[in-house]
Amino acid sequence: GENVEQHPSTLSVQEGDSAVIKCTYSDSASNYFPWYKQELGKRPQLIIDIRSNVGEKKDQRIAVTLNKTAKHFSLHITETQPEDSAVYFCAASSGLNYGGSQGNLIFGKGTKLSVKP
Amino acid sequence: DGGITQSPKYLFRKEGQNVTLSCEQNLNHDAMYWYRQDPGQGLRLIYYSQIVNDFQKGDIAEGYSVSREKKESFPLTVTSAQKNPTAFYLCASSGRGPHNEQFFGPGTRLTVL
Repeated sequence: GENVEQHPSTLSVQEGDSAVIKCTYSDSASNYFPWYKQELGKRPQLIIDIRSNVGEKKDQRIAVTLNKTAKHFSLHITETQPEDSAVYFCAASSGLNYGGSQGNLIFGKGTKLSVKP
Repeated sequence: DGGITQSPKYLFRKEGQNVTLSCEQNLNHDAMYWYRQDPGQGLRLIYYSQIVNDFQKGDIAEGYSVSREKKESFPLTVTSAQKNPTAFYLCASSGRGPHNEQFFGPGTRLTVL
């Protein structure tokens, strides 16, 4: 089955710097890669996602890149702000055979991002 | 705030007791999920249901049970067979189809005394 590795587990940056979180996946059939942000004591919320037919997607200060050949994808946050401090989770799914389990999301273990003012 | 609710927010259980966590959604979503979150472990899938009256085991189903009698509701029972039940439990729902966003509830923190 799918396995998702996420690095680093913790990341500390200075306000205004960029932050990069990387994930690798094992199942070449995976074609959907969402990123969730979970603030302390809150529920995870989707911040950006990418499908395998594109290599990059950007939304204001957040971007995600995908390298299908190497089976890795990354989250890039530019001009970080204190409110970006949270735990970020990557995930992958194949979306195949909706009636089965392949469409389920497999999550990485998370990266705790701290942005120091 | 997302249309998916969980109750209670905090739950304390004595060893040997079964407890049921509630999850309700008014998003008209077909699919619902239960995850367990432990520090440093990410989100692990316990059970999922893609349609009413049907559900499937996830990666860590042992010691848990679910039902899906209504589209809006997907309760999770933590049984006494679950050896280490203290954790944060998250419920999620999504529309039908392979690439739909999962919306999460606020979570229930279960502590076994």
